[in-house]
Amino acid sequence: IHITQSPSSLSASVGDRVTITCRTTSNVKVYLNWYQQKPGRAPDLLIYGASNLQRGVPSRFSANGSTTHFTLTIRDLQPGDSATYYCQHCFNIPPWTFGQGTKIEIK
Amino acid sequence: EERLLESGGRLVQPGGSLRLTCEASGFSFSRHWMNWVRQAPGKGPEWVANIRQDGGDKYYVDSVRGRFFISRDNANNSLFLELNSLRVDDTAVYYCARDPSDAVSAGSADLWGQGTLVTVSS
Repeated sequence: IHITQSPSSLSASVGDRVTITCRTTSNVKVYLNWYQQKPGRAPDLLIYGASNLQRGVPSRFSANGSTTHFTLTIRDLQPGDSATYYCQHCFNIPPWTFGQGTKIEIK
Repeated sequence: EERLLESGGRLVQPGGSLRLTCEASGFSFSRHWMNWVRQAPGKGPEWVANIRQDGGDKYYVDSVRGRFFISRDNANNSLFLELNSLRVDDTAVYYCARDPSDAVSAGSADLWGQGTLVTVSS
C-alpha cells in the first residue's frame, strides 16, 4: 500500500488553519496515524486510528478520514507547529508505509 | 519516565554487519509489540521491522527481509536489530519505537528513542 501526501510543503501565518492530505492506494479503513517531526528529533505521535488525538496533543490538531482519503488539520497555527508532518498506515499485517511528509513553515 | 535508548550505530563498510540494541525502561516492555524505523538523511521515516510481545511473530519491509533480523529479550527489556549484508542505501538513523499494543491505537508508535546512526560507506 502506497501513500501520497500533499502538499510537500506549505507556508502559513500564526493563527492560520492548514490542512494536509494523505491518500492511500488501497482501503486502509481507519488504520492511519499522523506524526510531527522537528529537526534532529524522532517523530511524535499526534493522531492514531485516523481521528483519535494522542494524549497531550493540543486540541488545535484534528484529523479525519477513512478508506483511502485522510486529512490532518491544524487550526490557530502556532510558531511551535513548524515541523514536518507524516502520515503512516498500519492496516493489516506489515510492512506499513509512511507518507512523503509535509513541511510546514511559519511566516 | 518511559524511555527507549538505542545504541550500536557506527560506520561500517558495504557488506558488513552490525547489531543495534534498544534498552527500554519505565514501562512494561513485555506487553508491547516493538518496531524499528529508520530515516535516511533528508528523507522521511521508513518502517523496517516489528516483533510481537513474545517474539513469536516478526515482520520486515521487503528491502531488508533476509538481511536484517529483529529479536528481543524481555527479561532484560531489550530489543535488537541484526543488520547483515549492509548496503550504502541502508545508511540512516535507526529508531526503536513502541507500539501501544491496545485495541484502539495498535499499529502506531507512541514512544521513540533518540535514534542511532548507521553509516554504510567504503
